[in-house]
Amino acid sequence: EDQVTQSPEALRLQEGESSSLNCSYTVSGLRGLFWYRQDPGKGPEFLFTLYSAGEEKEKERLKATLTKKESFLHITAPKPEDSATYLCAVRRASGTYKYIFGTGTRLKVLA
Amino acid sequence: DTEVTQTPKHLVMGMTNKKSLKCEQHMGHRAMYWYKQKAKKPPELMFVYSYEKLSINESVPSRFSPECPNSSLLNLHLHALQPEDSALYLCASSLGQGDEKLFFGSGTQLSVL
Repeated sequence: EDQVTQSPEALRLQEGESSSLNCSYTVSGLRGLFWYRQDPGKGPEFLFTLYSAGEEKEKERLKATLTKKESFLHITAPKPEDSATYLCAVRRASGTYKYIFGTGTRLKVLA
Repeated sequence: DTEVTQTPKHLVMGMTNKKSLKCEQHMGHRAMYWYKQKAKKPPELMFVYSYEKLSINESVPSRFSPECPNSSLLNLHLHALQPEDSALYLCASSLGQGDEKLFFGSGTQLSVL
């Protein structure tokens, strides 16, 4: 069964304290792995798509990496405005185009 | 314009009411989606429209009725809802059904009394 597990469930960081969020996945044929950011009461905002093991993508203080079993979202020198829930999702290479979302990591960055 | 606009932002309804949620996008996207999200949970897919035809229905109860009047508009008609249907309802769109990048609206926060 396809599954996405994110850890930790919640994370509190001091401003400038770098860390990583984990997304472990099991899927029969990966079409892509996706990272979204969601602010409270808002819809998710697309961050990255990763397609194959070894791929990396960066955007400002965020860097996403992918292996055959997991993805990491590295946050370098975070700022309070990086506080949000970060969602990971996967799509299969065939069949339904349905996203399988993880439960997210709630990140709080303290000034 | 890279926005998906949802109205209303908040909705309170009784179990006997009929209401509709509206979603609009002007990005030329041909796939549109309804998701339901409970607090501290991931979004759950409800319906997918591709080229204005219902493509996926995730076994959603009939008290939720989707409608896609044209390629820019998506409605969700609500009737005889239950308190457990209270949630954030998110609309999303993508270039095509197989296109990976989803653009989400800000959602409608629905409370059923």
